[in-house]
Amino acid sequence: QQQVKQSPQSLIVQKGGIPIINCAYENTAFDYFPWYQQFPGKGPALLIAIRPDVSEKKEGRFTISFNKSAKQFSLHIMDSQPGDSATYFCAASGGSGGYQKVTFGTGTKLQVIP
Amino acid sequence: DTEVTQTPKHLVMGMTNKKSLKCEQHMGHRAMYWYKQKAKKPPELMFVYSYEKLSINESVPSRFSPECPNSSLLNLHLHALQPEDSALYLCASRGLAGGNEQFFGPGTRLTVL
Repeated sequence: QQQVKQSPQSLIVQKGGIPIINCAYENTAFDYFPWYQQFPGKGPALLIAIRPDVSEKKEGRFTISFNKSAKQFSLHIMDSQPGDSATYFCAASGGSGGYQKVTFGTGTKLQVIP
Repeated sequence: DTEVTQTPKHLVMGMTNKKSLKCEQHMGHRAMYWYKQKAKKPPELMFVYSYEKLSINESVPSRFSPECPNSSLLNLHLHALQPEDSALYLCASRGLAGGNEQFFGPGTRLTVL
């Protein structure tokens, strides 16, 4: 019940394309869904996050779509650039205080070709 | 200052060595985390400290010993590690009043020979 399933494992798009990464969860106690971007040799950086009372959130070129009934959420990257080439992790968390854990998806390696 | 810093950046150690990893944040966050990340895998939670007290230990072997000496610092003491412990060790912090955002440090790349 703690799993977050992420797909695809890898993705190659042309510059300007719109890569879409999908995630699904089972635990209905999750109430916060962040996306992290990680470059090789670096720590994950928070990209954008959403709560289940919102169906869509946009920040710059990054958009999260959230479907609470299907327990699915996805990341869209508009007008993708070579600099977006990185590994993207979806995640989910619930609970509060010092007992909150973040459950990560398995990651998607994105390559944007010039 | 929205930064989590980690030292050292790289560490090579033998199986009989004792070493420590250090993490520091000055965002006033009262929850701090240690994660282990193997290549092409997501971060794997090891420990959580809340208000300088250990709140979660994900059944980590005792050769890893965490310490939180104050609200800004988090250490991970290493002793008698195995080659399979080689990984990127990530520290993260989170404010307990309000948002859920976790901020990660750049990590320490550990190699055990």
